[in-house]
Parts: sequence; structure tokens; C-alpha cells
Amino acid sequence: DAGVIQSPRHEVTEMGQEVTLRCKPISGHNSLFWYRQTMMRGLELLIYFNNNVPIDDSGMPEDRFSAKMPNASFSTLKIQPSEPRDSAVYFCASSLGQGVRETQYFGPGTRLLVL
Amino acid sequence: DAKTTQPTSMDCAEGRAANLPCNHSTISGNEYVYWYRQIHSQGPQYIIHGLKNNETNEMASLIITEDRKSSTLILPHATLRDTAVYYCIVRVSGGSNYKLTFGKGTLLTVNP
Repeated sequence: DAGVIQSPRHEVTEMGQEVTLRCKPISGHNSLFWYRQTMMRGLELLIYFNNNVPIDDSGMPEDRFSAKMPNASFSTLKIQPSEPRDSAVYFCASSLGQGVRETQYFGPGTRLLVL
Repeated sequence: DAKTTQPTSMDCAEGRAANLPCNHSTISGNEYVYWYRQIHSQGPQYIIHGLKNNETNEMASLIITEDRKSSTLILPHATLRDTAVYYCIVRVSGGSNYKLTFGKGTLLTVNP
């Protein structure tokens, strides 16, 4: 199994540009999570999908952030327009279900730098 | 979810057992203890979890005290590759049970 795949691994962009991060969850997993990690705030859950449906987006910082999951094998996190404070590592994770016993498997992350 | 308290950092000699403590004195009966770790520049990695019994897998052992107010993660023979930040997380079994709330964790440094 290839694990959770994220692309790109690194992204450098200028303020105001649109950024799209991509995630392919582990095959067969029906729960997908987007997290953001910064030195100041640590790891934060941004949004959670179950069976391709957004269940909890309370962690999404503001309207500049949007996430979609058009099918079971693909999700995107979009920032438009990007700002320097969006610089962080963005992780995607997936799990077989949403129960407390279900392990979340994380991807390698996308390191975003907004200049 | 119950809060957890972990030491900021610990050192361990290579080949020795690493014992990482976690305090979760406000844990309730339906909350599980989870451990994840994050090696530098990688995503968090699941290690082990338990409810009240001690657990062991190929990576580590989890010892939970009888009153469940604290636990210890044991890496029996630490290697240099075990250098990472280790997160102790308490998760409730109902409601918003998908959430993993990461604290600051313990930076374990394994020395040669």
C-alpha cells in the first residue's frame, strides 16, 4: 500500500496567488482529514470528510480556504487568495472509519511558503 | 476531551528502553489513550492505543495505571530512528470521536 499521497511536497508562492493542495487517501478508507501545522499553533484539524461529504469544517480559518472531495480517492484544499500567514505544513490523513478505534494515517505533508 | 501533560523533552541512550510518561488525570471512562509520533519533516505516525488494559504491539508497549490517570509509552530498545516528538492524546469514544487533538508532545532524543 502506498499510503496517503500528497502533492506537491513543497510549494512557494506569492501573496494573492491561488494555491491548491492535493491528497489521495489510502484505498478503501472512507474518512479524510486535512490538518495544518505551524510552530505557533501546532497541529490543527481543518476539515473532516466522511464518505466524500464534509462533516466538520469548523477548523477552516476563513472563507479563503475551501476543500472538496469529488470522489473517494481524491481531495483538494484550496487557498485563494493566499497570505503569508498561511505558510505552514498541511497534512492529509485518512482512516477506515470515524470511530475512536480507527487509526488515522498521515501523508508526508505539503510545505507551503507564501511570500 | 481530557487534557494531557507530557514532559517537554527526554533523552535516551541507544539500545535502552525509552519510557515516556503522560498525565491525563481528568480522563473519563469512555476515553481512549492514543500515542502518535512525528519524526522530523514527516507526518504523524500512529503507535498504539488503549482503554484500560496494557497493550503491546511491534512498535511499543502502553502501560495504563489502574486509575487511568496516567500512562507510559515504552520503546523497549530505542534506536536513533526513534528520535521524534511523541504525542499522547486522549479521545472520547462518542460524539466527535474522529478528532485528534495534538498537544506539544515530548521530544525524545536517542543518543548514540
